[in-house]
Amino acid sequence: DTGVSQDPRHKITKRGQNVTFRCDPISEHNRLYWYRQTLGQGPEFLTYFQNEAQLEKSRLLSDRFSAERPKGSFSTLEIQRTEQGDSAMYLCASSPTGQGWAGELFFGEGSRLTVL
Amino acid sequence: AQTVTQSQPEMSVQEAETVTLSCTYDTSESNYYLFWYKQPPSRQMILVIRQEAYKQQNATENRFSVNFQKAAKSFSLKISDSQLGDTAMYFCAFSDPANAGNMLTFGGGTRLMVKP
Repeated sequence: DTGVSQDPRHKITKRGQNVTFRCDPISEHNRLYWYRQTLGQGPEFLTYFQNEAQLEKSRLLSDRFSAERPKGSFSTLEIQRTEQGDSAMYLCASSPTGQGWAGELFFGEGSRLTVL
Repeated sequence: AQTVTQSQPEMSVQEAETVTLSCTYDTSESNYYLFWYKQPPSRQMILVIRQEAYKQQNATENRFSVNFQKAAKSFSLKISDSQLGDTAMYFCAFSDPANAGNMLTFGGGTRLMVKP
């Protein structure tokens, strides 16, 4: 069990460019979540998948944001036409479901986006 | 919608002393989970302790314990025998098993500094 991994850990881009982040969840976890965390604040929910199905999207997820989990394993979060307000840490988390699970999410180290 | 409030943006404590971090939440649900997560500087978020709302007994994990007051919607974290490694951001979080895949709603965090 290698934990949740995210790539890249840090991305610096110019306003207007597209960026993509990847998340590899813990292998047996069928739920995957994306959160955004700005400096000094708590994480805010963006979206989640159960297997390959995207089941919930926050109003924070504007049309410039898209997330996929094509085979129910890794996920990508793409931000198109980045704006300075997109600068944040993007956190990925995963979890199992079913009996015995008490609601804990397992987080990756995050991908920090800086938009110049 | 559920909300989580942490009223102490920053706290400090001397090594080996005890500190209590406060958290209040708002929900109309009767069945839910509460969590405290720790986020060390530039490190991933890890679970410190969890509480199921249906359990009256307060959860404990080694030096960490909670005071769960369901009627008051209060969920404080007590850290005993504070250690330098406890220096981190601490986030209180709420999840409703019936909502959005059990996604977590976080408070704004409390920055804890343990001083030698």
